[in-house]
Amino acid sequence: AQTVTQSQPEMSVQEAETVTLSCTYDTSENNYYLFWYKQPPSRQMILVIRQEAYKQQNATENRFSVNFQKAAKSFSLKISDSQLGDTAMYFCAFMKHTGTASKLTFGTGTRLQVTL
Amino acid sequence: DGGITQSPKYLFRKEGQNVTLSCEQNLNHDAMYWYRQDPGQGLRLIYYSQIVNDFQKGDIAEGYSVSREKKESFPLTVTSAQKNPTAFYLCASSIGAVSSGANVLTFGAGSRLTVL
Repeated sequence: AQTVTQSQPEMSVQEAETVTLSCTYDTSENNYYLFWYKQPPSRQMILVIRQEAYKQQNATENRFSVNFQKAAKSFSLKISDSQLGDTAMYFCAFMKHTGTASKLTFGTGTRLQVTL
Repeated sequence: DGGITQSPKYLFRKEGQNVTLSCEQNLNHDAMYWYRQDPGQGLRLIYYSQIVNDFQKGDIAEGYSVSREKKESFPLTVTSAQKNPTAFYLCASSIGAVSSGANVLTFGAGSRLTVL
């Protein structure tokens, strides 16, 4: 079974600064996907970024980028130019390549607070 | 707008009662999922369905039941056998075909169940 570990329960960053959230995972699979989801106070889960394990290039989405280290099984999220709207719970998630269902295994989350 | 609708948003139940949470999607997605969220534990998979009239147990299916009679609907029943049902419940869906979009889950806004 896969496990996902987020070792930072809470983090804080000042507006316009950069913050990195950590995530490690354990799997024996070779083909898989990794995700970061954001859950703001509204509790709506929002996809932030996705990474395919077979791709060496790190994924980026505007101010969000990842540092994917496959050998180390590490998948950190970097948020640049932090904004107040980035305040949320951030979940790292793992998905192995499967048929038609996309089952996610989630970490326990990191609560990020962006301050003025 | 396409999306996932969960109802009710808040639900209260007395011990010993069954309760059904509704999940409807108009995204034409084949696969649907139910997750449970507890503080400090991330999201855990209860049940999932890849096609109509078919569903599989997830990691914590005991005390829950589902049905998938229509492609757009995947209701979850929390039975009296569920020992600790108070939680936040999230429904999700994905395209289901093996394609670049198959592994992205879209989530509903969630339902908060409280047992009195």
